[in-house]
Amino acid sequence: DVKVTQSSRYLVKRTGEKVFLECVQDMDHENMFWYRQDPGLGLRLIYFSYDVKMKEKGDIPEGYSVSREKKERFSLILESASTNQTSMYLCASTSLRGGGEKLFFGSGTQLSVL
Amino acid sequence: EDKVVQSPLSLVVHEGDTVTLNCSYEVTNFRSLLWYKQEKKAPTFLFMLTSSGIEKKSGRLSSILDKKELFSILNITATQTGDSAVYLCATANFGNEKLTFGTGTRLTIIP
Repeated sequence: DVKVTQSSRYLVKRTGEKVFLECVQDMDHENMFWYRQDPGLGLRLIYFSYDVKMKEKGDIPEGYSVSREKKERFSLILESASTNQTSMYLCASTSLRGGGEKLFFGSGTQLSVL
Repeated sequence: EDKVVQSPLSLVVHEGDTVTLNCSYEVTNFRSLLWYKQEKKAPTFLFMLTSSGIEKKSGRLSSILDKKELFSILNITATQTGDSAVYLCATANFGNEKLTFGTGTRLTIIP
């Protein structure tokens, strides 16, 4: 089974802190994604990456950056956390071999920014 | 802008009932529609639909796509408490690696 692992289930940070959310997948997938999930708004794409060192902005990239130095790892960075970034963050990966639509998700990180 | 709308937003039924969840979409260069189940944290894949009128089935769950009217339904028969979850609908289009998600339907099954 594909495994997508997010490093933390719950995080509490203070406004202005730099925050790193880590995601690792074990299936050699090309594409990796970061979403945030908020009540009433559904899943919104922050950034995605289709190869090592490649990244593309999603629908809501402001206030975030990403890093993909190795194929299996995709990191989301909040340079200076703000209270409106309190949310559930979901990482996902997919293989182009299967058409690329079937995402495999991690368990999520609930981030609270105080 | 691509748009996926799910209804109802929430639904509470008794165990054993049959439910129908709806997903309508407005998407350019439509490729496929996907259903996911999210129980606690990680959404898990249920179905991917690409052709109209062909029902996909897995146990008590089934889904069908209508590409003319631009919607899909997810049916769950003989519901069980383990079916309680948020059900997410998403679309994929050609030339784009991204999925567009609806806001989800929260289904609660009362014993």
